[in-house]
Amino acid sequence: DTEVTQTPKHLVMGMTNKKSLKCEQHMGHRAMYWYKQKAKKPPELMFVYSYEKLSINESVPSRFSPECPNSSLLNLHLHALQPEDSALYLCASSPNVGYYGYTFGSGTRLTVV
Amino acid sequence: AQKVTQAQTEISVVEKEDVTLDCVYETRDTTYYLFWYKQPPSGELVFLIRRNSFDEQNEISGRYSWNFQKSTSSFNFTITASQVVDSAVYFCALSGAQGGSEKLVFGKGTKLTVNP
Repeated sequence: DTEVTQTPKHLVMGMTNKKSLKCEQHMGHRAMYWYKQKAKKPPELMFVYSYEKLSINESVPSRFSPECPNSSLLNLHLHALQPEDSALYLCASSPNVGYYGYTFGSGTRLTVV
Repeated sequence: AQKVTQAQTEISVVEKEDVTLDCVYETRDTTYYLFWYKQPPSGELVFLIRRNSFDEQNEISGRYSWNFQKSTSSFNFTITASQVVDSAVYFCALSGAQGGSEKLVFGKGTKLTVNP
């Protein structure tokens, strides 16, 4: 299995809702990442998990809460989002933190109404 | 600070033409990694190539080739005999091997449209 699987593929949520994005990989990778991509922009790093511990938070607002329950799973909990948070959320993994090459999922396209 | 510049915002070619996508990078690291990713309209980022800073050999994979020149801090990507399926946004990216190695810094992307 050489994939990173993200669910759901599309999500529409209201500003008062609580929802979660899920990311799963079974490649034995020990680093997992969340990226946010606005339309016509490059992906921007949000969070990095290394060996299930949060190693980088790129000053992301607290309405985004990441969680790594085990080495294969990465969640992003969403609460009280704003319309400007609408974007494509991409999960990625790599064998270890850094430069070994990243495998990206197909993303969750989030719309906040 | 690390930076990747893709000066071409959009390129449009006719099928079977060759096309080169430019990438210029800045880093203070002596060891670093460069990547190219393809993002079709469906959204996923497809890995194309990774090249480390010590390996300046050009690489060819089918219709794709990459020209890494450390002297000009460039890592250009050429598609030979382009096809409609090559239409996508292409990102060049950089990762440091020391501090900041967790972070993949992307250029702004080049949107390639291949017309039949």
